[in-house]
Amino acid sequence: QKEVEQNSGPLSVPEGAIASLNCTYSDRGSQSFFWYRQYSGKSPELIMSIYSNGDKEDGRFTAQLNKASQYVSLLIRDSQPSDSATYLCAVGSGNTGKLIFGQGTTLQVKP
Amino acid sequence: DTEVTQTPKHLVMGMTNKKSLKCEQHMGHRAMYWYKQKAKKPPELMFVYSYEKLSINESVPSRFSPECPNSSLLNLHLHALQPEDSALYLCASSQGRGVYEKLFFGSGTQLSVL
Repeated sequence: QKEVEQNSGPLSVPEGAIASLNCTYSDRGSQSFFWYRQYSGKSPELIMSIYSNGDKEDGRFTAQLNKASQYVSLLIRDSQPSDSATYLCAVGSGNTGKLIFGQGTTLQVKP
Repeated sequence: DTEVTQTPKHLVMGMTNKKSLKCEQHMGHRAMYWYKQKAKKPPELMFVYSYEKLSINESVPSRFSPECPNSSLLNLHLHALQPEDSALYLCASSQGRGVYEKLFFGSGTQLSVL
């Protein structure tokens, strides 16, 4: 079992729709959770961080964390073509003390 | 200013060359990182410096040699690389208070080894 799992996609949504990106993790001791956006050929950009159960909203982005289910998600409302990118889930491992990245989900927003 | 600056942006080198990648941040962060990223893969951790001391070394081949001259600068010295070392090399920094921290990445160096 991978430490951090994401569906590689591509996830295709029409412009204006809600995109839902999911991530599961194996280390129950994990305390910090991040979403990074990476455009092709560019470096990862931090877009959301979440540390406690529940929802955290920032503009069109909402991160959701459920530690009991070991699940973290990212919702993007009113998706735009400029949101088309790979989204990396990263989890701060309680075992190793390192940030573990998932494989990333490619999102395509079609005009 | 939330910028991590990496130079050069692109580098082509032969297997016998010696080159260095440079990284600089002025956010007062005390932890700096080198990651390697191959196409369509997540970043892989190579090295972590915390308060200018090497704290994590992921058993990277010795042809990669990190150096942290001060809390704002991080170098990666390259020698006798192999074609499979071609990748995007990313520098990142974080505040350094703990390992569960937000990383801020530089724009990366796209390295090609011929």
